[in-house]
Amino acid sequence: KAGVTQTPRYLIKTRGQQVTLSCSPISGHRSVSWYQQTPGQGLQFLFEYFSETQRNKGNFPGRFSGRQFSNSRSEMNVSTLELGDSALYLCASSWDRSYEQYFGPGTRLTVT
Amino acid sequence: GESVGLHLPTLSVQEGDNSIINCAYSNSASDYFIWYKQESGKGPQFIIDIRSNMDKRQGQRVTVLLNKTVKHLSLQIAATQPGDSAVYFCAENMEGSNYQLIWGAGTKLIIKP
Repeated sequence: KAGVTQTPRYLIKTRGQQVTLSCSPISGHRSVSWYQQTPGQGLQFLFEYFSETQRNKGNFPGRFSGRQFSNSRSEMNVSTLELGDSALYLCASSWDRSYEQYFGPGTRLTVT
Repeated sequence: GESVGLHLPTLSVQEGDNSIINCAYSNSASDYFIWYKQESGKGPQFIIDIRSNMDKRQGQRVTVLLNKTVKHLSLQIAATQPGDSAVYFCAENMEGSNYQLIWGAGTKLIIKP
């Protein structure tokens, strides 16, 4: 069974631009969560989607948004990029409400 | 706010020795704890979990210990191998938090040959 895939793997953007990241969960998984990982900060929870609905949301500004499609694939968008948005963005999928999440390799976003 | 933290950011262990990675948590309402391993260039991978009604749980070469009295969690890796080199994260879930985990900052485990 294929794992969680994320595209693109690497991205360089400039301040003020917007970016869209994509995540394809493991087949059959309906819950998709997004995390931001920066050095020394661990993983910061962004949001979780289940059946095309945002079910949980972390403490990030409204510039961070996401959505989930009927096939469970998910996208996250960051508008008006700031230098501090440079990070590894991880997507994780699970069957439903499960702590055992399966992570993708992440998208490394660099904002210059 | 309350959060999960780690005592040591980096741990160096001789190959073949046992490794112990520690984690302190401050939220007494947490009822579930989980350890993840993140290898370079990869996303975190589930290792083992434990519920607050337990104080010990064993897996393959790994053991998690939970001391609720001092709010301390540890991950023990037996006979450490080069493939154990990674960053290890503990995470906690507060009862009623809707399955949202709070993650620690991570401990980097280095294996010396």
